[in-house]
Amino acid sequence: NAGVTQTPKFQVLKTGQSMTLQCAQDMNHEYMSWYRQDPGMGLRLIHYSVGAGITDQGEVPNGYNVSRSTTEDFPLRLLSAAPSQTSVYFCATTTGLYEQYFGPGTRLTVT
Amino acid sequence: LAKTTQPISMDSYEGQEVNITCSHNNIATNDYITWYQQFPSQGPRFIIQGYKTKVTNEVASLFIPADRKSSTLSLPRVSLSDTAVYYCLVGESGAAGNKLTFGGGTRVLVKP
Repeated sequence: NAGVTQTPKFQVLKTGQSMTLQCAQDMNHEYMSWYRQDPGMGLRLIHYSVGAGITDQGEVPNGYNVSRSTTEDFPLRLLSAAPSQTSVYFCATTTGLYEQYFGPGTRLTVT
Repeated sequence: LAKTTQPISMDSYEGQEVNITCSHNNIATNDYITWYQQFPSQGPRFIIQGYKTKVTNEVASLFIPADRKSSTLSLPRVSLSDTAVYYCLVGESGAAGNKLTFGGGTRVLVKP
């Protein structure tokens, strides 16, 4: 099992560009989340999903969209990239109890 | 969600025991306490979870006093590879557990 995979690993965007960060899991977990981690800081929740077709906002949702059409995939869309969105993005999945499984992260730089 | 407070950093030496205490004065009845470890350029990794008293696994022990307003993660006989950031999280189980909040964590440096 691959667990949680994220693509791309690195991305550089110009201000105003849009892109989609991909996240896929093969653990058949219902719950998936997106976090961002700024340098030297803890993780902050952007959006989460408790199952296919159901999403909700986390702590810092502005500037991001998500959808969950399948159990396996949970893409994160940046609508119009801004330098403040420069960060490392982690996708995570869980059965709904406390152990979350994190992907390797996507390092995004917006210039 | 209960707010947690933990030391910013700790230094230790190989072979020593490291104890990291986390304060969570506003912990709710349904809240569990969970610890994660994060190495540079990697996502956090689950270490241990508990509700009360003591929990032990092959990696660490978690001590929770009766009032549950704090918890202590104990790492026995650390090695250089235990150098990482350790996060204490408090929150409900179930769907709400998907909304865990990560604080700043404790940066542990293990020296030779």
